[in-house]
Amino acid sequence: GQQVMQIPQYQHVQEGEDFTTYCNSSTTLSNIQWYKQRPGGHPVFLIQLVKSGEVKKQKRLTFQFGEAKKNSSLHITATQTTDVGTYFCAGAGGATNKLIFGTGTLLAVQP
Amino acid sequence: GAVVSQHPSWVICKSGTSVKIECRSLDFQATTMFWYRQFPKQSLMLMATSNEGSKATYEQGVEKDKFLINHASLTLSTLTVTSAHPEDSSFYICSAAKYNEQFFGPGTRLTVL
Repeated sequence: GQQVMQIPQYQHVQEGEDFTTYCNSSTTLSNIQWYKQRPGGHPVFLIQLVKSGEVKKQKRLTFQFGEAKKNSSLHITATQTTDVGTYFCAGAGGATNKLIFGTGTLLAVQP
Repeated sequence: GAVVSQHPSWVICKSGTSVKIECRSLDFQATTMFWYRQFPKQSLMLMATSNEGSKATYEQGVEKDKFLINHASLTLSTLTVTSAHPEDSSFYICSAAKYNEQFFGPGTRLTVL
């Protein structure tokens, strides 16, 4: 079945450093979504990418969808302690809007 | 907005009992809702897709007789964990689809003793 992997599993950075998480799908996706989950909380939608090669920015966050629509990345510039949490990508493919979540990357930011 | 609620937020039950979890879309109608399960430090695993007025579609490996899903209206889906056992203890999260976006409920933490 379809698998969505993320690397790294865990990243520890000093506040102010940059952070990137990579997402790879075993199949071509119709769109990819990114979510953030704080410890003890539920996933919160960040963004959706639909077009091949698409790049979107939200303040310090930059999201990219690969040309082949099988991979994606999230880059955070100058991390802050509020960025702490697990970042999940979630791929959608086919006729349904069913999402397959990636394995997640836990970001820890040291002040 | 698009708000999804879940009830209860947490529940502790004895082994062998059944537990019902409700998922409601508060300000929009959702023909499709999804149920996920998340074990500690793991990703969300899709359990089933709940369609209003029809049977749920279960993912491979999920027992439909154990996890009963009812999507009675365009704003309510329920998940019943029947004859719960300690290994069913987990964080259960629902989401409601609006266009191509999913809005997640706050989750229900189930502990089976």
